[in-house]
Amino acid sequence: GDSVTQMEGPVTLSEEAFLTINCTYTATGYPPLFWYVQYPGEGLQLLLKATKADDKGSNKGFEATYRKETTSFHLEKGSVQVSDSAVYFCALSDHQGGANNLFFGTGTRLTVIP
Amino acid sequence: GAGVSQSPSNKVTEKGKDVELRCDPISGHTALYWYRQSLGQGLEFLIYFQGNSAPDKSGLPSDRFSAERTGGSVSTLTIQRTQQEDSAVYLCASSLGGLQETQYFGPGTRLLVL
Repeated sequence: GDSVTQMEGPVTLSEEAFLTINCTYTATGYPPLFWYVQYPGEGLQLLLKATKADDKGSNKGFEATYRKETTSFHLEKGSVQVSDSAVYFCALSDHQGGANNLFFGTGTRLTVIP
Repeated sequence: GAGVSQSPSNKVTEKGKDVELRCDPISGHTALYWYRQSLGQGLEFLIYFQGNSAPDKSGLPSDRFSAERTGGSVSTLTIQRTQQEDSAVYLCASSLGGLQETQYFGPGTRLLVL
């Protein structure tokens, strides 16, 4: 079945460092891919998405490119801030049965220190 | 309301008791999803509603779990004869219903079974 594997954390970076969180997927076809973020004490929020191969999703300085050759959707940001400290989840959308169920990775906790 | 709301925010119960968790989706959202976030399993899909019907119940972990949705709005997730392994955060999400539509998550209900 469809699944997502993402880099295990925790990840600790200094402010302004470069961030990469790896995510690879296994799926039939090319399902939409997502990055969700969960800030401390808050619910899950969509960070960015890419609905088809070669698309690039971007938001708040974060980017991820849907690469079918490597079945990857790595999250990157050039210069992290303390406010980016959160748990990041990679996910894919399973459209079987007309649904839109999300399958999530295990999450990667990012801590950015000043 | 402005977003997805869930109640209660926290629930502590004794093993063997029944619990009901409530989700109020964003007004006008026809699709509603329940997920569970636990330490051992990460984020996992439980059930999906389109309107009042549940075409996909494949994620429910056992027959002690059931869910309903009335009036195409509020949904209730019921866990009967709770077990300690049911302890988790139960998340609800809603969307406009199309296959490409973004899911918006509620803050979750944290369930602890003693």
